[in-house]
Amino acid sequence: DTGVSQDPRHKITKRGQNVTFRCDPISEHNRLYWYRQTLGQGPEFLTYFQNEAQLEKSRLLSDRFSAERPKGSFSTLEIQRTEQGDSAMYLCASSLGGGSYGYTFGSGTRLTVV
Amino acid sequence: SQQGEEDPQALSIQEGENATMNCSYKTSINNLQWYRQNSGRGLVHLILIRSNEREKHSGRLRVTLDTSKKSSSLLITASRAADTASYFCATDPRPPQGGSEKLVFGKGTKLTVNP
Repeated sequence: DTGVSQDPRHKITKRGQNVTFRCDPISEHNRLYWYRQTLGQGPEFLTYFQNEAQLEKSRLLSDRFSAERPKGSFSTLEIQRTEQGDSAMYLCASSLGGGSYGYTFGSGTRLTVV
Repeated sequence: SQQGEEDPQALSIQEGENATMNCSYKTSINNLQWYRQNSGRGLVHLILIRSNEREKHSGRLRVTLDTSKKSSSLLITASRAADTASYFCATDPRPPQGGSEKLVFGKGTKLTVNP
C-alpha cells in the first residue's frame, strides 16, 4: 500500500460546471476525511466517514457539495455548479482513528474555477 | 473555524540552527499533532502528543505541551535546508466541540532554512 491517493492532481473548470474528485485511502484505515485548503491558510474540515457512514459535515459543505464512500473503501467529493470561491486544494486523509493516530494525507487535488 | 494559532507566521534561519514554533489553542483537547507541508503538497504527520503528556521526542523534533496555558511548541534541532516547509499544529478537541476525532488546524508557520 503506497498511501493515500487522490485523483486528479489538478482540475481547471469553468464556473457552473460540476466536478468530482476521488480519494483512495490506506486500506486498513476506516476513517476518511476531506479538508479544503486555500492559499496561506491551514486545512479546514469538510466531512468525515467512518467506514461507509458519513458521520459529520462542516457548515462549509453547502448543498452544492456531496461526498460518498460506498462500501467503506474509496471516497468521492462532488461539487455542483462550481463557483470561483470553490478554488482551493482539496485534501483527503485517512486514519485508524481512536485518538492515538495521526492522519495520512494524500497529495491533494488543486481546483481552479475560471 | 481554526482553533490553533501558530507563532511566528514565518521564520527564516541558517542551516544548523534550531527552529522553534509555537501553537496556542482554545479548547480542551485529546491530543495535539504537528504536520509538515511542502509547497503544493499534502501534509505529513510528524508527531502526536496526548493531553496527559508534557514532552515528546522524535529524531530532531521535540514537542512540548502545556495544557494549563493551552499551548505547544515544536523544536527542530540542527535544521537542514530540506526542513524548509510550512508547519501546522492540529488539535483533536474534546466534546462538545469535538469527539469525532476531527482535527482542527492552525494557519501554520512557514519555515525557511537557508543553506
